[in-house]
Amino acid sequence: GEDVEQSLFLSVREGDSSVINCTYTDSSSTYLYWYKQEPGAGLQLLTYIFSNMDMKQDQRLTVLLNKKDKHLSLRIADTQTGDSAIYFCAETFGPNNAGNMLTFGGGTRLMVKP
Amino acid sequence: DTAVSQTPKYLVTQMGNDKSIKCEQNLGHDTMYWYKQDSKKFLKIMFSYNNKELIINETVPNRFSPKSPDKAHLNLHINSLELGDSAVYFCASSGRRGTDTQYFGPGTRLTVL
Repeated sequence: GEDVEQSLFLSVREGDSSVINCTYTDSSSTYLYWYKQEPGAGLQLLTYIFSNMDMKQDQRLTVLLNKKDKHLSLRIADTQTGDSAIYFCAETFGPNNAGNMLTFGGGTRLMVKP
Repeated sequence: DTAVSQTPKYLVTQMGNDKSIKCEQNLGHDTMYWYKQDSKKFLKIMFSYNNKELIINETVPNRFSPKSPDKAHLNLHINSLELGDSAVYFCASSGRRGTDTQYFGPGTRLTVL
C-alpha cells in the first residue's frame, strides 16, 4: 500500500536553512505536497510539485523531487521562529474519477531556536 | 472569508452517543474529504465524496457516515461513539476531479469520555 515517511524532528537556529525530507512509495502520484500545521491549527498548504518536475522554488521555499529514489525535500531558507510547526508531506492516491485522496507522512516537527 | 469551515471547533461527548460535525466550503469545489488526525498527529483519509460518488477508506468503521445535502457541504455523522474516536477531524475540498490541490478546514477536536 501507499506509505509516506518523514523524520520526526528537526531543530535549527534562526537564520539557518532547514531541510525536511520525505520518502514515498506510490510512483504513480501526480502531485506531491507540503503542508504546515501550527499548534492547535489546521493544515495550511505551503507548496506542491508536479511529478514531472525536479525542483520548484517559491520565495524562501525550495522543493526538490527525486523520482528515481522517491524522495521529496522541502528547504526553508533563512528559517524564522514563525516557521516552527509540523510539516507534512503528502502524495495523492486513489481513482481519479473520485478525487485524489492524500496519504500523509507522519509529520516533521520543526523547532527554530532564536 | 473562510474557504473551508467546520463546526463545532470542539466537541466533548459521552461514549455511545451519536454526533455530527458539519463542513462547508465556499470555493465552488467538486470534491470534499474527511481526514482523521490522531494524538500522534498521524493523518488518515476517511472519505472522498464527488458528485454523489463516495470513496471510503476500508479501515473506517461503518459507524462513520458522510452526508452531503449539497455540493458545498459534507457532514460527518458518527454513531455509537467510542473512546478511540477521540481525534481531530479535518474536512477538505478540491476542485477538478483528480488533480486539484486540497484545502483544509480548521479541524474539529472530538473528545469521547
